[in-house]
Amino acid sequence: QKEVEQNSGPLSVPEGAIASLNCTYSDRVSQSFFWYRQYSGKSPELIMSIYSNGDKEDGRFTAQLNKASQYVSLLIRDSQPSDSATYLCAGGGFKTIFGAGTRLFVKA
Amino acid sequence: EAQVTQNPRYLITVTGKKLTVTCSQNMNHEYMSWYRQDPGLGLRQIYYSMNVEVTDKGDVPEGYKVSRKEKRNFPLILESPSPNQTSLYFCASSGGWDRGLGEQFFGPGTRLTVL
Repeated sequence: QKEVEQNSGPLSVPEGAIASLNCTYSDRVSQSFFWYRQYSGKSPELIMSIYSNGDKEDGRFTAQLNKASQYVSLLIRDSQPSDSATYLCAGGGFKTIFGAGTRLFVKA
Repeated sequence: EAQVTQNPRYLITVTGKKLTVTCSQNMNHEYMSWYRQDPGLGLRQIYYSMNVEVTDKGDVPEGYKVSRKEKRNFPLILESPSPNQTSLYFCASSGGWDRGLGEQFFGPGTRLTVL
């Protein structure tokens, strides 16, 4: 099992819909988690960080962490074509482990 | 402007020819890190540094060296590059210490091809 695992996608949603991105992690990954967005040909940029069980909301984005199930998710509400990108889940501290990323397409 | 810079942005070289990719940040961050990104594999950490003169291996350190003599700079050295080191390389820095690490700011990337 990979230490941080994501469905590679692509995930395709219509404009205005909710996009749900999921990530699972192994025991070796510590309990800090991050979602990065990466546009094609660009560098990753942080969308959300989450450290505690439960939900964390920031604008159209909600991150969810369930430590018992070793599961992290990112919900994007009112998806826009500009949200089309690869979303990277990352866990850890000084030693950071990234998932391979999920490609999201938002259709206008 | 707060940023992480990398040079060169593109590099084509031949097997065995030593090269250095520079990374510099102007945010006074203690933490810096190098990653490589390959299709289907995502970002994999090569080395990281928690402060000047403090470095440690990530998941894929073989064939790479780093040094951290100054807080702002964290060069990546390939002593004898091989074709399997052809990749897109990112440098990142972070100043957040809550729970060990905060947001990482990434440089623009260096695309390396080793022939």
